[in-house]
Amino acid sequence: DTEVTQTPKHLVMGMTNKKSLKCEQHMGHRAMYWYKQKAKKPPELMFVYSYEKLSINESVPSRFSPECPNSSLLNLHLHALQPEDSALYLCASSQVLRTAHSNYGYTFGSGTRLTVV
Amino acid sequence: GIQVEQSPPDLILQEGANSTLRCNFSDSVNNLQWFHQNPWGQLINLFYIPSGTKQNGRLSATTVATERYSLLYISSSQTTDSGVYFCAVGKTSYDKVIFGPGTSLSVIP
Repeated sequence: DTEVTQTPKHLVMGMTNKKSLKCEQHMGHRAMYWYKQKAKKPPELMFVYSYEKLSINESVPSRFSPECPNSSLLNLHLHALQPEDSALYLCASSQVLRTAHSNYGYTFGSGTRLTVV
Repeated sequence: GIQVEQSPPDLILQEGANSTLRCNFSDSVNNLQWFHQNPWGQLINLFYIPSGTKQNGRLSATTVATERYSLLYISSSQTTDSGVYFCAVGKTSYDKVIFGPGTSLSVIP
């Protein structure tokens, strides 16, 4: 299995709703990432998990709450979002440890297109 | 933090033409990747290439780490090559990877 699966693919939520985005990989990768991408812009890093521990939080507002329950799963819990949070949310995974012939390229999921109304 | 520049910002090619995309970065890196984002938003990793040269079919990439740039070559372009090409760099194999602004490529029949 060489892919990252994200669900749902599309999500429309109100500003008072609570929802969660899910990301799953079975490649044995021990680093997982959340990125946010607005139209015609590059992806922006939100969170990095390494060995199921949060290692980077790029000053993301607390209405976004990440969770890594095990080495294959990454969730992003959403609460009280604003319309400007509407974007494509991308999950990625990669290897962590450096070995001579490994490929540390990121594998991205297809994303969740989020619309906040 | 590291600054990443990509050129050209936009490129239109006739099918069958060759092209070279460039990525400049402001600091030493140990992690450099090229991605293709198709019109539906899927990001595909093309190369992990912090240094040296790699080839994969019609695509090849070269990174000259000492001079802080990387090049992506596309030969015999096809309409399916259309989309945005991103260079992404970082200091380690994981950690904070920063995306450049991208090159938007349109290949016309």
